[in-house]
Amino acid sequence: KAGVTQTPRYLIKTRGQQVTLSCSPISGHRSVSWYQQTPGQGLQFLFEYFSETQRNKGNFPGRFSGRQFSNSRSEMNVSTLELGDSALYLCASQSGGSTIADTQYFGPGTRLTVL
Amino acid sequence: AQSVAQPEDQVNVAEGNPLTVKCTYSVSGNPYLFWYVQYPNRGLQFLLKYITGDNLVKGSYGFEAEFNKSQTSFHLKKPSALVSDSALYFCAVRDETGGFKTIFGAGTRLFVKA
Repeated sequence: KAGVTQTPRYLIKTRGQQVTLSCSPISGHRSVSWYQQTPGQGLQFLFEYFSETQRNKGNFPGRFSGRQFSNSRSEMNVSTLELGDSALYLCASQSGGSTIADTQYFGPGTRLTVL
Repeated sequence: AQSVAQPEDQVNVAEGNPLTVKCTYSVSGNPYLFWYVQYPNRGLQFLLKYITGDNLVKGSYGFEAEFNKSQTSFHLKKPSALVSDSALYFCAVRDETGGFKTIFGAGTRLFVKA
C-alpha cells in the first residue's frame, strides 16, 4: 500500500499571500489530521477530518482552515501568511476513524517558508 | 486539559547499552499513548501504542514501553541501542475528552555513540 502523500514537499511564499497544501491518505483510510511542527512550539494539532466533517480543531486562528473531499483527500489552507507560519506541516491518516485508539500514519510533510 | 511532558531534551547512550526515553502525561479520561520517531527531513514513524491491558507494550525495531498508571508515565525503552536509533522521539496522548485531538510532547533527541 502506498503511504500518505503530501504535495508540494517544499513551498516558499511571502507575507500576506495564501497557500494550499494537499494530503492523500493511505487507501481506505477515512480520517485525516493536520499538524504544524516548529522548533519553538513543537508538534501542534490543527484539525481532524472524517467523512468530509471536521471533528476536532486545535487552537489556531481562523486563517488556518481545511477540508476533506469525498475520496478522503484533504487540503489545508492558510490565508494572509505571517512569518510565524513557517513550519513543517504534517498530515496523518488513520484507518476507520471510529476510535481514538487507531494508529496514525504520517506523511513526509510540506516545508513552508514565509519570507 | 491534556498534556505530555518529555523531561529530557536529549539523551546520550553508547551503542549496545540500554536506553530509556521518558514521558509523563496528564489527561482527564483513560489515556491512549503513542510513541513516534522522526528522522531528519522525514515524517513521523509509529513505534508502539498503549490502549489497554498489559502494561508492557512491545513495538517496532526492538522498542518497548511500560505504562505506569500511578506515575502517569509511559517510558520508551530498548535493551541494546544501535547507532541507527539516533533520531527525534515523540510521545503522544489522546483521551475520550479530547477525542481525535492528539497532544505531542516536545520531543527527545537520542544520540547513540558507536
